[in-house]
Amino acid sequence: QKEVEQNSGPLSVPEGAIASLNCTYSDRGSQSFFWYRQYSGKSPELIMSIYSNGDKEDGRFTAQLNKASQYVSLLIRDSQPSDSATYLCAVDNNAGNMLTFGGGTRLMVKP
Amino acid sequence: EPEVTQTPSHQVTQMGQEVILRCVPISNHLYFYWYRQILGQKVEFLVSFYNNEISEKSEIFDDQFSVERPDGSNFTLKIRSTKLEDSAMYFCASAKTGRETQYFGPGTRLLVL
Repeated sequence: QKEVEQNSGPLSVPEGAIASLNCTYSDRGSQSFFWYRQYSGKSPELIMSIYSNGDKEDGRFTAQLNKASQYVSLLIRDSQPSDSATYLCAVDNNAGNMLTFGGGTRLMVKP
Repeated sequence: EPEVTQTPSHQVTQMGQEVILRCVPISNHLYFYWYRQILGQKVEFLVSFYNNEISEKSEIFDDQFSVERPDGSNFTLKIRSTKLEDSAMYFCASAKTGRETQYFGPGTRLLVL
């Protein structure tokens, strides 16, 4: 059973701070890694994708991937109250035909 | 911006009834997926579909489930005889290729009574 693990939180940060979200995965054959944001009762919305080791930046978001350690992270700089949501880490399988999701980390940004 | 659409947004059914959930993937996407999320739980993979056949399915996707692409735009999930435990949010997703980003529809909330 392939696993994707996240700390469920809640992670509480003040407005303007950096939020750091982490994820570990078990399938060494995974090649594609995604961070989705999910508001309560809504569908997952893509934040970032990352495919190779290192950092990838997009605006206030930076994804980091370390395949040797089987670790993916998401940094959110200058956190805003509107960033308050559940952040889902998703990892593909060896065949690239499905995603396994972690349970999500609930982020709360306090004004 | 193109979006995945799903209908209906909500469906209430009696246990043992058949339901069909409908999805219109993004038009130039070739890979289609169904996921479900029971309230308060993880998003779970059900099935992936490419080139008019199932490419992967989970243990959840048993004989009670089927998928179909009846025409060039729709992608459907059928549950033949619903159970109470099928109550969940069902998400359709599509992607250009197998490794690229999957874009999710807004979901269908299914309640089985």
